[in-house]
Amino acid sequence: EPEVTQTPSHQVTQMGQEVILRCVPISNHLYFYWYRQILGQKVEFLVSFYNNEISEKSEIFDDQFSVERPDGSNFTLKIRSTKLEDSAMYFCASSAGGPSDTQYFGPGTRLTVL
Amino acid sequence: GENVEQHPSTLSVQEGDSAVIKCTYSDSASNYFPWYKQELGKRPQLIIDIRSNVGEKKDQRIAVTLNKTAKHFSLHITETQPEDSAVYFCAARPQGGKLIFGQGTELSVKP
Repeated sequence: EPEVTQTPSHQVTQMGQEVILRCVPISNHLYFYWYRQILGQKVEFLVSFYNNEISEKSEIFDDQFSVERPDGSNFTLKIRSTKLEDSAMYFCASSAGGPSDTQYFGPGTRLTVL
Repeated sequence: GENVEQHPSTLSVQEGDSAVIKCTYSDSASNYFPWYKQELGKRPQLIIDIRSNVGEKKDQRIAVTLNKTAKHFSLHITETQPEDSAVYFCAARPQGGKLIFGQGTELSVKP
């Protein structure tokens, strides 16, 4: 069964550094999402992406964040200048036919900002 | 704003008993309500979902009920097993595709 994949599984970075988190959505999916989960807390929506543009973003998704689909398979989340409070698990998700479809989550990237 | 409240935060049951987790949502335009199971350090896995045109859905030992008037939905697990132990998240989808998650329920099934 196809799955969403994410790399790396764990990223450690220094405060102020840029990080890029990578996701490969399920191949025939068209809608892509990033969520984050701070340790012990709930999953929070960051951004949704369709047709090469952002559909919706949350208050968390400020100017330090950007997303890109650089080719036909990858979907990336960039944090330009990381802060301590960016430390979290970042999940990518994708869905097939539209916002009404089931979202399938990747295994996550644990980001640790020191 | 859009919000989902989930209770209880922790739930401990004996193997074979039933477990019920409840959620309420704020946005009456929400039309899709999935439940995810998350084992420690792993991705959220969809276990069941319900759409707003249905009041109840069942899949083996798992069932979900939806009360649109009360903006309330619940997860019911019967004949619980130790492998059901995990954190369960409810979610609601208001207009658009994003999911708004509840705070999670840590379910512990004791053998």
